[in-house]
Amino acid sequence: AQTVTQSQPEMSVQEAETVTLSCTYDTSESDYYLFWYKQPPSRQMILVIRQEAYKQQNATENRFSVNFQKAAKSFSLKISDSQLGDAAMYFCAHVAQGGSEKLVFGKGTKLTVNP
Amino acid sequence: EAQVTQNPRYLITVTGKKLTVTCSQNMNHEYMSWYRQDPGLGLRQIYYSMNVEVTDKGDVPEGYKVSRKEKRNFPLILESPSPNQTSLYFCASSSFRGRVNYEQYFGPGTRLTVT
Repeated sequence: AQTVTQSQPEMSVQEAETVTLSCTYDTSESDYYLFWYKQPPSRQMILVIRQEAYKQQNATENRFSVNFQKAAKSFSLKISDSQLGDAAMYFCAHVAQGGSEKLVFGKGTKLTVNP
Repeated sequence: EAQVTQNPRYLITVTGKKLTVTCSQNMNHEYMSWYRQDPGLGLRQIYYSMNVEVTDKGDVPEGYKVSRKEKRNFPLILESPSPNQTSLYFCASSSFRGRVNYEQYFGPGTRLTVT
């Protein structure tokens, strides 16, 4: 069974500093995607960044980047130059290609940004 | 504008009173899915649909029904709601065509309270 584990229920960071959120996953599939979603107080699920498993290069989106370690099944999110608007719940998620398309989510990490 | 819509956004109801949460997408996506979000549990899949008239159970289907008569709509039906179905519900959709930039698009969420 596919599982996603986020070991940090809560994290905090000072504004303008860098923070890394951890995620590990377990899958028997060879072809899959990994995602980080942001959920602000509005409850909307916002895609932050995606990583295709076949790509060795780590994905980046402006201040957001990932450290994808396929052999270790690790997928951490780094937020650089943290801003107050980054405060939110962050969910790591996995989906295998060619199957039920089910997104398997971690339990989330609540990020607080201190001014 | 490409989007997934859900109605209602908020609903308070009583045990046993049948209700339907509607979901509609305007992107011609084949795949649609329902998730529920509970504190400390992340998001879990309830039901999904690969195409019109094709539906299947997710991880937590008990107490729910779905139908997919049209490609754009995927309503979630609670025949006899119970308090343990109090939750935040998300509808999502995606396309199987073109795996580049694969993403599941989420609706804004429906906050359901069953008393």
